[in-house]
Amino acid sequence: KQEVTQIPAALSVPEGENLVLNCSFTDSAIYNLQWFRQDPGKGLTSLLLIQSSQREQTSGRLNASLDKSSGRSTLYIAASQPGDSATYLCAASGKGGGADGLTFGKGTHLIIQP
Amino acid sequence: NAGVTQTPKFQVLKTGQSMTLQCAQDMNHEYMSWYRQDPGMGLRLIHYSVGAGITDQGEVPNGYNVSRSTTEDFPLRLLSAAPSQTSVYFCASSYSKAGGNTIYFGEGSWLTVV
Repeated sequence: KQEVTQIPAALSVPEGENLVLNCSFTDSAIYNLQWFRQDPGKGLTSLLLIQSSQREQTSGRLNASLDKSSGRSTLYIAASQPGDSATYLCAASGKGGGADGLTFGKGTHLIIQP
Repeated sequence: NAGVTQTPKFQVLKTGQSMTLQCAQDMNHEYMSWYRQDPGMGLRLIHYSVGAGITDQGEVPNGYNVSRSTTEDFPLRLLSAAPSQTSVYFCASSYSKAGGNTIYFGEGSWLTVV
């Protein structure tokens, strides 16, 4: 059964820093890995989707990488801003996932200090 | 383009009452699902549907019922509400269940059972 772990559970950094959020998964036979952002009181918003055949995806200041062999994905945020404060979740899609193939991590709660 | 729309946003129920959480999407997605999100537990799949007329159970289906009569709508019914069903409920949709598709979430429905 797929397990997805996100460490740390919470992170607080000063504005302007570059930072990396980690996501690890136990079953490397995934179709894709997706990163989401969740603001307080809101739903999840998809940030980046990396297919199993890809190594990375970029959108603006965000860059997500995927290393299936090591069971790891990272979300890199450049030049962090207070507006980046949110909870970031990753989800692995594959046969080893839940009933719908998806396994979510519990998220990293990120605070960017002004 | 509204995306995934959930109603109501907030609801308070008494133990034993029944209610329906509504979910509609306007993206012609075949795949829809319902999750609940609880502190420390992450997102857990309740039920999902791969198309009109087809539904299946997720990880925590007990106490919930679903139907999918149209592609657009996927309501979640609480049959006899219990305090353990106090949670935030999210509806999600994507083009298909197969890997490789961006997942879109609704804004959530906050349910309190007293």
